[in-house]
Amino acid sequence: AQTVTQSQPEMSVQEAETVTLSCTYDTSESDYYLFWYKQPPSRQMILVIRQEAYKQQNATENRFSVNFQKAAKSFSLKISDSQLGDAAMYFCAYRSRTGGGADGLTFGKGTHLIIQP
Amino acid sequence: ETGVTQTPRHLVMGMTNKKSLKCEQHLGHNAMYWYKQSAKKPLELMFVYSLEERVENNSVPSRFSPECPNSSHLFLHLHTLQPEDSALYLCASSQDPYRGLESFFGQGTRLTVV
Repeated sequence: AQTVTQSQPEMSVQEAETVTLSCTYDTSESDYYLFWYKQPPSRQMILVIRQEAYKQQNATENRFSVNFQKAAKSFSLKISDSQLGDAAMYFCAYRSRTGGGADGLTFGKGTHLIIQP
Repeated sequence: ETGVTQTPRHLVMGMTNKKSLKCEQHLGHNAMYWYKQSAKKPLELMFVYSLEERVENNSVPSRFSPECPNSSHLFLHLHTLQPEDSALYLCASSQDPYRGLESFFGQGTRLTVV
């Protein structure tokens, strides 16, 4: 079974600064997908960024980028130019590509990101 | 708004009650999921339906009973719940899960069992 670990329960960053959220995972599979989801107080889980394990290039979406280290099983999220609207819970998630069924997501416990004005 | 709607948003029920949670998606997706989100625990996958057939049941107690009458609707029937079942229940859907496309989530139902 796969596991996802987020070792930072809470992070705080000044507005306009850069912050990095950590995520490590454990799997015996070689082909899978990794995601970062954001959950604001409204409780709606929103996809931030997605990475396919077979792609070496790190995914980027505007101010959000990842550092995907497959050998180390590490998948960190960098948020540049932090904005007040970035305040939320951030979840790292894993999905198998070869599960042979409609696999759901395996989530970490989340990191609560606070943006200081 | 992600196209996945859950009702009700809040639910308080006694341990002897029977209630149902509803999820509806208008995205044309072919897979739907129930997750449980408890305080201080990772989101837990409960049930997966693909093409209206249940494909995964992660050792969920029988007091939770899912139903997927068509590809747009998903229900979670609840009966004789325990206080530890109080949590946020999230529904999600995705298109072609084999390709790892993103899941779209509803806003959840906050369930309190008293």
